[in-house]
Amino acid sequence: EAGVTQFPSHSVIEKGQTVTLRCDPISGHDNLYWYRRVMGKEIKFLLHFVKESKQDESGMPNNRFLAERTGGTYSTLKVQPAELEDSGVYFCASSPRLLAVLTDTQYFGPGTRLTVL
Amino acid sequence: QKEVEQDPGPLSVPEGAIVSLNCTYSNSAFQYFMWYRQYSRKGPELLMYTYSSGNKEDGRFTAQVDKSSKYISLFIRDSQPSDSATYLCAMSVTGANSKLTFGKGITLSVRP
Repeated sequence: EAGVTQFPSHSVIEKGQTVTLRCDPISGHDNLYWYRRVMGKEIKFLLHFVKESKQDESGMPNNRFLAERTGGTYSTLKVQPAELEDSGVYFCASSPRLLAVLTDTQYFGPGTRLTVL
Repeated sequence: QKEVEQDPGPLSVPEGAIVSLNCTYSNSAFQYFMWYRQYSRKGPELLMYTYSSGNKEDGRFTAQVDKSSKYISLFIRDSQPSDSATYLCAMSVTGANSKLTFGKGITLSVRP
């Protein structure tokens, strides 16, 4: 079974440009999450989709960030315009709709490393 | 005050040592406690998952939760070089299907 995949693995852009990150969850997972780790800080929650609906977007830093999950499959996270402080590693995770066992949880992708110059 | 505090490390131990990793938290609403392991250039992967207080053992790993002290621990027995990674504690109020709050992570190096 394929894991969570993210594209690109690394992106370097200039301040003011736009970048779109993509996440493909594990097939059949209804829950999709975005997290971000800024250098030297902890991984922080951005938002949570259940299928195509935003369940919790309390972690989105500002309106320069737009997340979508059309059709309830893959998701994109667009940053427009990018600022220097947006640099970091963006992780996507997914989990099944119902957790059958207590040990099940969110499965993380390898992350997209975003550098804003 | 951060919701979750984790010793920043790094930590270096000889092979075979017992490792103790700890996190404290301030939000008493946390009910679900997890330890993730992250290798370089990879995403975090779940290592241990505990609900409420108590101990849980899985092979060489033991997770402990003390809700009265707001303190969680991960013990690694007979540590191996392959255990060298970053260990992150994570917590949730409503369960694994919701927002996780992470500690900063500690990098462990096990010397052969």
